Amino acid sequence: IQLTQSPSSLSASVGDRVTITCRASQGISSYLAWYQQKPGKAPKLLIYAASTLQSGVPSRFSGSGSGTDFTLTISSLQPEDFATYYCQQLNSYPPWTFGQGTKVEIK
Amino acid sequence: EVQLVESGGGLVQPGRSLRLSCAASGFTFDDYAMHWVRQAPGKGLEWVSGISWNSGSIGYADSVKGRFTISRDNAKNSLYLQMNSLRAEDTALYYCAKDVHPAFCGGDCHNWFDPWGQGTLVTVSS
Repeated sequence: IQLTQSPSSLSASVGDRVTITCRASQGISSYLAWYQQKPGKAPKLLIYAASTLQSGVPSRFSGSGSGTDFTLTISSLQPEDFATYYCQQLNSYPPWTFGQGTKVEIK
Repeated sequence: EVQLVESGGGLVQPGRSLRLSCAASGFTFDDYAMHWVRQAPGKGLEWVSGISWNSGSIGYADSVKGRFTISRDNAKNSLYLQMNSLRAEDTALYYCAKDVHPAFCGGDCHNWFDPWGQGTLVTVSS
């Protein structure tokens, strides 16, 4: 299963609403996770089952979607949110596959 | 606190071997499946291999099948990746990641990874 994220990168300002899209090459129900990776750090789980927020993750992060189209939304971008975000399909494995990543940069 | 600490990376010539280790603490190691995920410099994430709690289920990415072997020692709370016939394209930061379930799931149960270690760098070059 191939995952395609869009955009590959974006520039945004603190306080902006940001939306990242992940499209699967075939239907994966709601079996998708999102990870955040800051420079020089390991990926961190944000959301699983498409919309369930991992414990400790700020509520400004939300996920939605099912089937082939999914979104990660940051309702009000904070300085600590500048990072690269990856989606991961949880439907059919092995292999577990990831999107190519979306880099969120400061405008 | 869950901790995963990878080691064993380094500079190795093409065709040679390397063994990575991941020391786990802060959780009951043999209650969870484990994985290796790699990231080439400046690139995205690639799942490499996974192993269930009792080593009964093992999977590999096509890119490493036949060259890499995953294993675990539950008595030592450790995960391993034996990498043979290394190639330049295996150059990457290798992360150890804990699964949220003991086995590779099906049906209504699905596997994701949390948390991840900080990684160990493998460079394959002559």
